[in-house]
Amino acid sequence: EVQLLESGGDLVQPGGSLRLSCAASGFSVSSNYMYWVRQAPGKGLEWVSVMYSGGGSTYYSDSVKGRFTISRDNSKNTLYLQMNSLRVDDTAVYYCARDLDSSTWVPLSYFDLWGRGTLVTVSS
Amino acid sequence: QSALTQPRSVSGSPGQSVTISCTGTTSDVGGYDYVSWYQHHPGKAPKLMIYGVNKRPSGVPDRFSGSKSGNTASLTISGLQAEDEADYYCCSYAGGYKGVFGGGTKVTVL
Repeated sequence: EVQLLESGGDLVQPGGSLRLSCAASGFSVSSNYMYWVRQAPGKGLEWVSVMYSGGGSTYYSDSVKGRFTISRDNSKNTLYLQMNSLRVDDTAVYYCARDLDSSTWVPLSYFDLWGRGTLVTVSS
Repeated sequence: QSALTQPRSVSGSPGQSVTISCTGTTSDVGGYDYVSWYQHHPGKAPKLMIYGVNKRPSGVPDRFSGSKSGNTASLTISGLQAEDEADYYCCSYAGGYKGVFGGGTKVTVL
């Protein structure tokens, strides 16, 4: 079955770090544009980061750039999000997602497969 | 990037049509034909309903349609059904290899 399963969400203090994992099955994360998207409580969806297929270029939203790092382990077929210097406003459900078409010249943010999400709470 | 602008809520009776707007700028919606729409039932994974402004993935009913004019994209749900009640989000490529979402619209079936 083709699916994504996130894990790693937890309660963490402001300034702390956390690493989220997204295990893929039924397809290869290295062959697809892969993303992290988040939803803060009572708020809308927010685009966070993308990792290219192949060479693995990465891009980030301005709100997380310099603090978050997206990466993958091809042998484990798993996508990661390393989150450092966490702030209260990083509290959200974090989803990983796959692009519908990874042959395009840039990632178009057409998310055709999503995980169920993992909750990150940043609070003292 | 600033979030795209969507109405907070729209409503309609079963069988009616509703349209959700998604307004951006020339740097996102108006600059590219790379708009997608998502249906999100709380507690579940979002679902891709429209991509490339007006293309439907396999399995999405043809009651859902998309369009774009200038800086505004739209999602129309025709023949509204009870199961269409959900939050809907637009998303656009915003240049710089990044995307941007709208704030979301709650669709209520009366």
